[in-house]
Amino acid sequence: DAGITQSPRYKITETGRQVTLMCHQTWSHSYMFWYRQDLGHGLRLIYYSAAADITDKGEVPDGYVVSRSKTENFPLTLESATRSQTSVYFCASSDGNRRKETQYFGPGTRLLVL
Amino acid sequence: SQQGEEDPQALSIQEGENATMNCSYKTSINNLQWYRQNSGRGLVHLILIRSNEREKHSGRLRVTLDTSKKSSSLLITASRAADTASYFCATDARGNTPLVFGKGTRLSVIA
Repeated sequence: DAGITQSPRYKITETGRQVTLMCHQTWSHSYMFWYRQDLGHGLRLIYYSAAADITDKGEVPDGYVVSRSKTENFPLTLESATRSQTSVYFCASSDGNRRKETQYFGPGTRLLVL
Repeated sequence: SQQGEEDPQALSIQEGENATMNCSYKTSINNLQWYRQNSGRGLVHLILIRSNEREKHSGRLRVTLDTSKKSSSLLITASRAADTASYFCATDARGNTPLVFGKGTRLSVIA
């Protein structure tokens, strides 16, 4: 019962580098989400996906790219990392029939951009 | 934005006491959810209350919803040290918008 996993759990990178955060879920949930969590801002949606090859922007998509070639994976790429992207990133998934009901969260990736 | 706003931002109580936190929102909703986040972990779904429900219970949790005031409250009875966490409300607005999370209430339960 693996659930939803994220890798890496911790990442330090430098400004301008490309970074990819991975998210994998074993439930075959249709919907997957990426959030960032910052002090004072709570949880903000970056991108979400309704199914393979279907993605949509959330509240704060600038500077991020997502793809979803397989239902179980939803990687998030920072094309050219900036210090303002230092944050904790959470991936989540939900059942397609209940996409706005329970969301299941991964453990998070702590990203530090120097 | 129809983001939920939790109140208070932080709450500190003694073990055995009840903890109440509130969430206010701006637009009509289909449902409202509460999540818990332990330090350094992901969020965990606690309870969902639909717009046509006024109260819901789950173990030591009691959630109320007042759609006329656009507010919800989460009550944790007989709190334990293990309840120490941040609690978030999430609102499901009508239409095709995703869930929107509030900024959370940090609860500290002192043994």
